[in-house]
Amino acid sequence: GNSVTQMEGPVTLSEEAFLTINCTYTATGYPSLFWYVQYPGEGLQLLLKATKADDKGSNKGFEATYRKETTSFHLEKGSVQVSDSAVYFCALGSFSGNTGKLIFGQGTTLQVKP
Amino acid sequence: DAGITQSPRHKVTETGTPVTLRCHQTENHRYMYWYRQDPGHGLRLIHYSYGVKDTDKGEVSDGYSVSRSKTEDFLLTLESATSSQTSVYFCAIRKLGANTEAFFGQGTRLTVV
Repeated sequence: GNSVTQMEGPVTLSEEAFLTINCTYTATGYPSLFWYVQYPGEGLQLLLKATKADDKGSNKGFEATYRKETTSFHLEKGSVQVSDSAVYFCALGSFSGNTGKLIFGQGTTLQVKP
Repeated sequence: DAGITQSPRHKVTETGTPVTLRCHQTENHRYMYWYRQDPGHGLRLIHYSYGVKDTDKGEVSDGYSVSRSKTEDFLLTLESATSSQTSVYFCAIRKLGANTEAFFGQGTRLTVV
């Protein structure tokens, strides 16, 4: 079945450091890929998405490229801020007939120190 | 914000009692999902619905049932709550389309004592 694997956290960085959070997936067909962010005490919110191979999603300085050849969708940011501290989830959306499963990775906690 | 409301937001219940969590949407989205979030496990799919009265199991469906009698409501029932079901439960909605994103509720923190 479909699955998503994220790098284990927590990830601790200093402000202005470069961020990479790895995400790889297993899927049949042509899924869409998403990154969600969860701030403390809140629900998840969409950060960015990519819907086909070689697409790059971007938002708030974050980027991720849909790489079909390596089945990856790594999240990057050039210079993190303290306000980026949160839990980040990689997700895969696929459709089979009328169903629409949305599968999440384990989540990676990011802590940014001033 | 997407119109999605979970109730209750917090609940403490005793082992062996039935519990129902409600997810209500005002967006008329086709898909609705129930997830649980636990440390070290991320977000795991319990059940989801792809239409009124159309539901399917997720990866951790044992001990849970769902119902969707109308588009706007998706109920999650713990038939006989156990301590292992202590968790934060999230509902999500998603409209039809391969590339659409999900919108999440604020979560329900359930404690089974």
